Amino acid sequence: DQQVKQNSPSLSVQEGRISILNCDYTNSMFDYFLWYKKYPAEGPTFLISISSIKDKNEDGRFTVFLNKSAKHLSLHIVPSQPGDSAVYFCAANRGSTLGRLYFGRGTQLTVWP
Amino acid sequence: NAGVMQNPRHLVRRRGQEARLRCSPMKGHSHVYWYRQLPEEGLKFMVYLQKENIIDESGMPKERFSAEFPKEGPSILRIQQVVRGDSAAYFCASSPRGSDYEQYFGPGTRLTVT
Repeated sequence: DQQVKQNSPSLSVQEGRISILNCDYTNSMFDYFLWYKKYPAEGPTFLISISSIKDKNEDGRFTVFLNKSAKHLSLHIVPSQPGDSAVYFCAANRGSTLGRLYFGRGTQLTVWP
Repeated sequence: NAGVMQNPRHLVRRRGQEARLRCSPMKGHSHVYWYRQLPEEGLKFMVYLQKENIIDESGMPKERFSAEFPKEGPSILRIQQVVRGDSAAYFCASSPRGSDYEQYFGPGTRLTVT
């Protein structure tokens, strides 16, 4: 069963505009959420995270929003750049499970000039 | 500061052979995780290890798969008698603590079973 879902397999955005990547989860025990970025033939690279006690975390061009009541989080990239083109994975963690991450299937973001 | 290292990057095995995948965590990290990514899928957790201890192996297939993280040397993921369905990218991650630190991933080993 897929406890973390990314329902959009792909997203195409023009350079300079905002990219919004969405993620839903089903397990209310998740208390920490992460976004990873992955280029082909490389491992995932940590991007940004958020604890369930917050509803927003910002790091430069990247902001993650968490809506616990809706079990939904989103990653905003502003402004989008061609180098942001990659697969973005949403992941979640339950503190009691000592580090195991549950991943979504990923969203391929393409930023065109 | 070297990141997580995995080798080999690519491994080809015939059905029935054994595959050994190695992972050296980042310096100072004592927690290792193995994940598998099948085509068009997200990463699926396999096993979580600390030095000389398996903490959580709930994601490991019951047969043919084993993992270890010895006191000295890299972590090893071992797949015996490989089958075509084992073809996937295998990623190792490490963290300095168990549950509340980000995991840092290696470049992965792409296993192809012919």
